[in-house]
Amino acid sequence: GAVVSQHPSWVICKSGTSVKIECRSLDFQATTMFWYRQFPKQSLMLMATSNEGSKATYEQGVEKDKFLINHASLTLSTLTVTSAHPEDSSFYICSARVTSGSFYEQFFGPGTRLTVL
Amino acid sequence: AQKVTQAQTEISVVEKEDVTLDCVYETRDTTYYLFWYKQPPSGELVFLIRRNSFDEQNEISGRYSWNFQKSTSSFNFTITASQVVDSAVYFCALNSGYALNFGKGTSLLVTP
Repeated sequence: GAVVSQHPSWVICKSGTSVKIECRSLDFQATTMFWYRQFPKQSLMLMATSNEGSKATYEQGVEKDKFLINHASLTLSTLTVTSAHPEDSSFYICSARVTSGSFYEQFFGPGTRLTVL
Repeated sequence: AQKVTQAQTEISVVEKEDVTLDCVYETRDTTYYLFWYKQPPSGELVFLIRRNSFDEQNEISGRYSWNFQKSTSSFNFTITASQVVDSAVYFCALNSGYALNFGKGTSLLVTP
């Protein structure tokens, strides 16, 4: 159980276009999902926290108008990279949080590799 | 503030050698959780272990073992008799109720 999927797994787009990435919890409900970004040979950096039915919370330095997050249901969060540029090329990973006893456990999606030409 | 330090950027070993990956963390929380993840070239994170701050027992799982020492704020990971398939980037992470805070990762290369 506790499977998280991401779609697409990879995407190539032209500079200036928008790209939407979906994160789904397949067999559980997640009121909270997280979006991370990983540049080559670097660590995972938290971009934002997505809460179902409310606005996302962005980490310092992340442009909320550029990275639009929507968490419309308990099983789906979407990240839209608007007007993508080559510097947005990265590996985007989502995770979904569930309560396991007194602990909030996170399950990670397989990631989406974005290349902006 | 929370911080996870993995001082070893890259490690290269020959197959069958033992290797230890270091992880030092900082937190003011008394309740927290520590993790190790493996990230192969495909990019998908593979969960290895979770440890809570109240459980300092060392753990062994096959060729993998973990040493948690609160006195030194360390949570080190040892692979015994390394294999080529162990080649990956390994991340240590800390969670005290919010999102995971990852270290910079250690890239392990195991050569035949």
